[in-house]
Amino acid sequence: QVQLQESGPGLVKPSQTLSLTCTVSGGSISNGSYYWSWIRQPAGKGLECIGRMYMSGSTNYNPSLERRVTMSGDTSKNQFSLKLTSVTAADTAVYYCARGADNGGSIDSWGQGTLVTVSS
Amino acid sequence: AIQMTQSPSSLSASIGDTVTITCRASQGIRNDLGWYQQKPGKAPKLLIYAASSLQSGVPSRFSGSGSGTDFTLTISSLHPEDFATYYCLQDYDFPGSFGQGTKLEIK
Repeated sequence: QVQLQESGPGLVKPSQTLSLTCTVSGGSISNGSYYWSWIRQPAGKGLECIGRMYMSGSTNYNPSLERRVTMSGDTSKNQFSLKLTSVTAADTAVYYCARGADNGGSIDSWGQGTLVTVSS
Repeated sequence: AIQMTQSPSSLSASIGDTVTITCRASQGIRNDLGWYQQKPGKAPKLLIYAASSLQSGVPSRFSGSGSGTDFTLTISSLHPEDFATYYCLQDYDFPGSFGQGTKLEIK
């Protein structure tokens, strides 16, 4: 079964860029049946979709974050990444990487999540 | 962007009860809706996809229904491990959006 693991700095300074990587094992990110997502959750709050991408190159970002977000993939390493620029304290959250399928609200595999704190 | 309005925001129930959680979409989303369970400190877990299809390995006491704008998650005969927070997710409109969540607490 596929497993996902987030990695990256746990502390980022305001105005800097948040960079996270998701390493996928047990399945290929090149599998066109799936898309790859980043989702975040501030402490004590709900879930927010940041973006999703297919390795074919198609990406969709949350309109509220679109100006600051870039997602990319590296099929040779079976990884995909998130960059979020110009961060503020409002970007402090647990960030999840996940795998979804185009069959109706189906995100079937999740990483354990990584806490990123924005603070000087 | 499509807004998902989930209700109630919290719910108290007893072991063995049947509970229903609803999500309403701001526009029609066909059946592009999933339901998730999240426990503290853990990633969400997929329960239902395509509005009414039970994810493999999920107990049959979980069921979903609806299409278009109105959807429900029903949990029959609550077990102790069902007390958690539940979210709906639409992905008709990419990249998708979640409801605000329903915290199910033991009475």
